[in-house]
Amino acid sequence: GAGVSQSPRYKVTKRGQDVALRCDPISGHVSLYWYRQALGQGPEFLTYFNYEAQQDKSGLPNDRFSAERPEGSISTLTIQRTEQRDSAMYRCASSPSRSLSVTSRGYGYTFGSGTRLTVV
Amino acid sequence: QKEVEQNSGPLSVPEGAIASLNCTYSDRGSQSFFWYRQYSGKSPELIMSIYSNGDKEDGRFTAQLNKASQYVSLLIRDSQPSDSATYLCAVGSSASKIIFGSGTRLSIRP
Repeated sequence: GAGVSQSPRYKVTKRGQDVALRCDPISGHVSLYWYRQALGQGPEFLTYFNYEAQQDKSGLPNDRFSAERPEGSISTLTIQRTEQRDSAMYRCASSPSRSLSVTSRGYGYTFGSGTRLTVV
Repeated sequence: QKEVEQNSGPLSVPEGAIASLNCTYSDRGSQSFFWYRQYSGKSPELIMSIYSNGDKEDGRFTAQLNKASQYVSLLIRDSQPSDSATYLCAVGSSASKIIFGSGTRLSIRP
């Protein structure tokens, strides 16, 4: 597609349920990133992939959060046993570059529209 | 200490004036620096990137980088009401991920 596509746009779930958020990056983009953004805050890094390999998951808050990108394209962020504090906008971004180094003239990201998760 | 720090604002600037937005970062190994604009309820969009010390100009926008001081700024000349948004400073860390500041709300008053 022309842009980064995320689904669903909105998700309301009951506390304790599992949710899966999907990200379809720009075709051919190597890197895929997940962020979480609370109201009035900047995006908070969760994890990222180069192709299918998860490079850094240091931002995942706890072991209820996991992400995968099995074929190096679409990615799923899964939150198990959701809690109210998980409510936020979850944003996915992709980049054509696998490195942010000066040598490769790293690119900024292109963000999707996000998934608004509300845990009640 | 936050990795990327910005004044939350709001910063109010009259139409036609220069808006100056500032950001400091903590990781000396950072090599890539970005400014994103985010309208209310929308996704962040990249407006400027800078990698070397000095100034980089693109239309009405100028990004300035001083690695020794760990300081990045964005100047918006001839500010327009459409520039009213939250501006996010983002830094490409040495670990190859981008860390965002909390953003500065900019309001251009007619």
